[in-house]
Amino acid sequence: DVKVTQSSRYLVKRTGEKVFLECVQDMDHENMFWYRQDPGLGLRLIYFSYDVKMKEKGDIPEGYSVSREKKERFSLILESASTNQTSMYLCASSLAPGQGRTGELFFGEGSRLTVL
Amino acid sequence: QQQVKQSPQSLIVQKGGIPIINCAYENTAFDYFPWYQQFPGKGPALLIAIRPDVSEKKEGRFTISFNKSAKQFSLHIMDSQPGDSATYFCAASIIRGNQFYFGTGTSLTVIP
Repeated sequence: DVKVTQSSRYLVKRTGEKVFLECVQDMDHENMFWYRQDPGLGLRLIYFSYDVKMKEKGDIPEGYSVSREKKERFSLILESASTNQTSMYLCASSLAPGQGRTGELFFGEGSRLTVL
Repeated sequence: QQQVKQSPQSLIVQKGGIPIINCAYENTAFDYFPWYQQFPGKGPALLIAIRPDVSEKKEGRFTISFNKSAKQFSLHIMDSQPGDSATYFCAASIIRGNQFYFGTGTSLTVIP
């Protein structure tokens, strides 16, 4: 079975702290994504990566960075957390066009971050 | 700018009713239109998807209707059940590309 695992389901951090959100997929997918989910705003893309060490900004990259050192792992970093980054963060992966992409995204269960 | 517009934001129906969720897009290069279902505390999961070369796709009680000329597509849930209560997201993407564009979501409640 396809699996995208987000290691932290719930986090509470203080303003100014550095936050790491980890995501691992076991499907050999080349594409990985970080989304932010807020009520009424849907899913907004923060960053995506189409290969190891490659990254592209999404719609709302400000205040975030990412790291992809290995194919299966994609990390989201909040260098200095702020209260407006309180949200649900969803990691996803997909096949790339060269892998016979079907168009399906596979999501993790999410990491709910609260910044106080 | 929202690439995919979804309505309504929330929907309440009686068991057995047929909720309809609508989405519209502008980019005619999109060639894959999935719907995702999300239960509380879970990540979204693919429910059903359609390519623009067909006008309708049915899987069980779920049907996508697609109107290419109007650049609109919709999800119909036949004989809705309380277990269908969830948030539904429409999306659009380009199969040859790498990005997905999501609607803002519809919270569906099916009352027993």
